[in-house]
Amino acid sequence: DTEVTQTPKHLVMGMTNKKSLKCEQHMGHRAMYWYKQKAKKPPELMFVYSYEKLSINESVPSRFSPECPNSSLLNLHLHALQPEDSALYLCASSQEISVVTEAFFGQGTRLTVV
Amino acid sequence: DAKTTQPPSMDCAEGRAANLPCNHSTISGNEYVYWYRQIHSQGPQYIIHGLKNNETNEMASLIITEDRKSSTLILPHATLRDTAVYYCIVWSDYKLSFGAGTTVTVRA
Repeated sequence: DTEVTQTPKHLVMGMTNKKSLKCEQHMGHRAMYWYKQKAKKPPELMFVYSYEKLSINESVPSRFSPECPNSSLLNLHLHALQPEDSALYLCASSQEISVVTEAFFGQGTRLTVV
Repeated sequence: DAKTTQPPSMDCAEGRAANLPCNHSTISGNEYVYWYRQIHSQGPQYIIHGLKNNETNEMASLIITEDRKSSTLILPHATLRDTAVYYCIVWSDYKLSFGAGTTVTVRA
């Protein structure tokens, strides 16, 4: 199973809502990543988790709160978002952050903030 | 982070080889070159990666120059399904950081 599963596929939320994006993998990978992709732009790295610990935060606003409850799951909690946060949110996983192997990406959650 | 430079777009005829160039002149000796592609509205898909030697897999070949300052991804027989944005990435500081990529359009 080389799949990274993201739910939901689409999400519409108001600026005062709290929602969560979920990402799951069962490949035994110990590195997991969140990316944000605006239309017609490349993916931008947001967070990197290694062995369930946050390793890299690319200066992401605190209204985005990542969580890695176990080695298979990665969540992104959203609160008080702005319309400009509307984007495709991609999750990825790889064997380890220090081992050079391929990263597997999910199909993303398309988020619209209204 | 080592930056990469790619042409913004290129066309390719179906059935012909597609050669995608990438410059990474600031790459360090232990940094790998990765290629990913992203078909419209899907997650990026891994294609191939390499350090110094040329690499080949079932999808593509990767040719890295001896000085490692540039590389070329070769899709040997392009099909319409290969139409996508292709990203050349230097993996650095535990990050896979995407540049602007090349939009490849395969035409019948």
